[in-house]
Amino acid sequence: LAKTTQPISMDSYEGQEVNITCSHNNIATNDYITWYQQFPSQGPRFIIQGYKTKVTNEVASLFIPADRKSSTLSLPRVSLSDTAVYYCLVGYSNSGYALNFGKGTSLLVTP
Amino acid sequence: IAGITQAPTSQILAAGRRMTLRCTQDMRHNAMYWYRQDLGLGLRLIHYSNTAGTTGKGEVPDGYSVSRANTDDFPLTLASAVPSQTSVYFCASSKSEGSYNEQFFGPGTRLTVL
Repeated sequence: LAKTTQPISMDSYEGQEVNITCSHNNIATNDYITWYQQFPSQGPRFIIQGYKTKVTNEVASLFIPADRKSSTLSLPRVSLSDTAVYYCLVGYSNSGYALNFGKGTSLLVTP
Repeated sequence: IAGITQAPTSQILAAGRRMTLRCTQDMRHNAMYWYRQDLGLGLRLIHYSNTAGTTGKGEVPDGYSVSRANTDDFPLTLASAVPSQTSVYFCASSKSEGSYNEQFFGPGTRLTVL
C-alpha cells in the first residue's frame, strides 16, 4: 500500500536551516517527488521537485538519496513568513493511479 | 490571469441536499483533480481527470461524482450530502497526468454539512 509519511510539526527560529524529511518506500521507478507549501486559507503552491540526487532553486533544496525511499526538503535561513504547512507529494504509478500527499508538516518559525 | 477558480467560496448545506462545487481553469491543462482537506489527514484525492471526457476515482471517491465535459471545467457533485463531507475542497490542475507535472491549486471551497 502506497504511503507517504512526514513529521506532523516542526519548530524553528528565524535564520536557521530547516530540514523536513518525507518517507516514500514504495515510490515508483519513474515517479517524481514534489513539495508544496500552504498558508492558511489558501491552496497549496509548488516549491520544488526532484527525481534523484539534489535539486536547488531560489527558495529551497531537495535531497534524494540513491534508493529514493525518502527525500529531504531543506529551507535555508527561514524567516517568519516561512511559517506554513509543507506537503510532500509522491507518485506510486506501480500501484495504479496514485498521487499520494503526505499529511503535511506544520512549520512554526519564531523570532 | 485567473488560473483556477472555485465556487462557492464557502457553503453551509443541510444533510441530504445535493450540491455541486464548481472548478474552472484557463490554463488549458489536460489533467484536473479534486481533493478534500481535513485536519490531521492532509490532502486526499477524491476524483481526477486526465483529459476531457475521462474521469477516475481517487483515494476517497464514495459519495462524490465528477464530470469532465470540456477542458476547462471539472465540477464535483455531492448527490446527498452527509456531515462527514464537511471539509475544505481544493480543485487543482496540471499540464498533463504524471507526478512530474506541477499542480496548480484553486483557493478552495469550505463546505459545512449540518
